[in-house]
Amino acid sequence: GAVVSQHPSRVICKSGTSVKIECRSLDFQATTMFWYRQFPKQSLMLMATSNEGSKATYEQGVEKDKFLINHASLTLSTLTVTSAHPEDSSFYICSAQIGDRSYQPQHFGDGTRLSIL
Amino acid sequence: GESVGLHLPTLSVQEGDNSIINCAYSNSASDYFIWYKQESGKGPQFIIDIRSNMDKRQGQRVTVLLNKTVKHLSLQIAATQPGDSAVYFCAERWGMDSSYKLIFGSGTRLLVRP
Repeated sequence: GAVVSQHPSRVICKSGTSVKIECRSLDFQATTMFWYRQFPKQSLMLMATSNEGSKATYEQGVEKDKFLINHASLTLSTLTVTSAHPEDSSFYICSAQIGDRSYQPQHFGDGTRLSIL
Repeated sequence: GESVGLHLPTLSVQEGDNSIINCAYSNSASDYFIWYKQESGKGPQFIIDIRSNMDKRQGQRVTVLLNKTVKHLSLQIAATQPGDSAVYFCAERWGMDSSYKLIFGSGTRLLVRP
């Protein structure tokens, strides 16, 4: 149980392109999903918290107009990297928590490797 | 605070030996801690968790120890196997219920020698 699916797994595109990444909880409902960014040999850095039916909460230094988040249902959140540039190349990972229960771990997708040429 | 590492510390162990991976966390108010395993090119995989009202919790071949006095967390892996080779992250939970977030440590690479 607690499977999170992320799609696509890899994207290679030209500078200026907008890229959408989907995060789905397959066997549970997720009121809250999280988006992280990870550079090589580094830890996961939280970008934003995505809440179903409301606006996302962004971490300090993360541009909300650059990284658009939509949490349209209890099983789907999307991250759109708008007008991507080479410096946006990274490994983007989403996670979800089961419902609103306390003391539950986040369950992670397998990430999206984004490469901007 | 949030952790950003330029390189990952590495722990090399012989297959069959026990491994101990350490983590120092930052927020004395954190009430929940999680260990994750991340294999190359994949997302983190849940291993074990512990609440702040406990100091030890055991799973299958893994044990987590929590020392709140010195804000230290450790993961012990018994009889380490080649499949245990990965990067291990501790994470602490900040905030309350609907507004909480996880802050990840810098990670430790575990290499298991055959």
